[in-house]
Amino acid sequence: GGIITQTPKFLIGQEGQKLTLKCQQNFNHDTMYWYRQDSGKGLRLIYYSITENDLQKGDLSEGYDASREKKSSFSLTVTSAQKNEMAVFLCASSIRDWEYEQYFGPGTRLTVL
Amino acid sequence: QQKVQQSPESLSVPEGGMASLNCTSSDRNFQYFWWYRQHSGEGPKALMSIFSDGDKKEGRFTAHLNKASLHVSLHIRDSQPSDSALYFCAASGNQGGRALIFGTGTTVSVSP
Repeated sequence: GGIITQTPKFLIGQEGQKLTLKCQQNFNHDTMYWYRQDSGKGLRLIYYSITENDLQKGDLSEGYDASREKKSSFSLTVTSAQKNEMAVFLCASSIRDWEYEQYFGPGTRLTVL
Repeated sequence: QQKVQQSPESLSVPEGGMASLNCTSSDRNFQYFWWYRQHSGEGPKALMSIFSDGDKKEGRFTAHLNKASLHVSLHIRDSQPSDSALYFCAASGNQGGRALIFGTGTTVSVSP
């Protein structure tokens, strides 16, 4: 088995601040994903990466940057945090793409003051 | 417009009862479906995939797919309190890229 680790677990930022979230997986999976979940409801795809140094935009990529410098890690940057923004950011990985099960981390909860 | 829609939004089921969840895609390209479950404070976990028309059973969980109507359902037999969670349908297709599109979820509450 493997595990996905997300850091930090809680992130509090100020309006306009650049904030970085990190994700590590030890499954040796090719594909990694970042999702945003608002109010415990639907997941929206921000970015995904099919291999090291690859980046693909999802429907919600505006306002975010991502980086996949190693196969095992995938980071997400909120380029300018919005006041009153509150969401959980979930990282996931899969062997390859949509045909394969995605394994999720526990999430990073973001609050912007 | 949400491409993957789920109903009902929430569902209460007595312990031992049957829970039935529905999912419809508005995009004919989306013909491959997954069901995920998320307990409070955790990330979602995959329950099962269904890629062909008909039924697929895994333990107490049965999924049914009708590609013509782009409708997939999940039935939970003999519901347990541990089944109380948020359930997501997720879809993809040949022209949808490599990513899944998740629905808005159905909250299931199983009361003892």
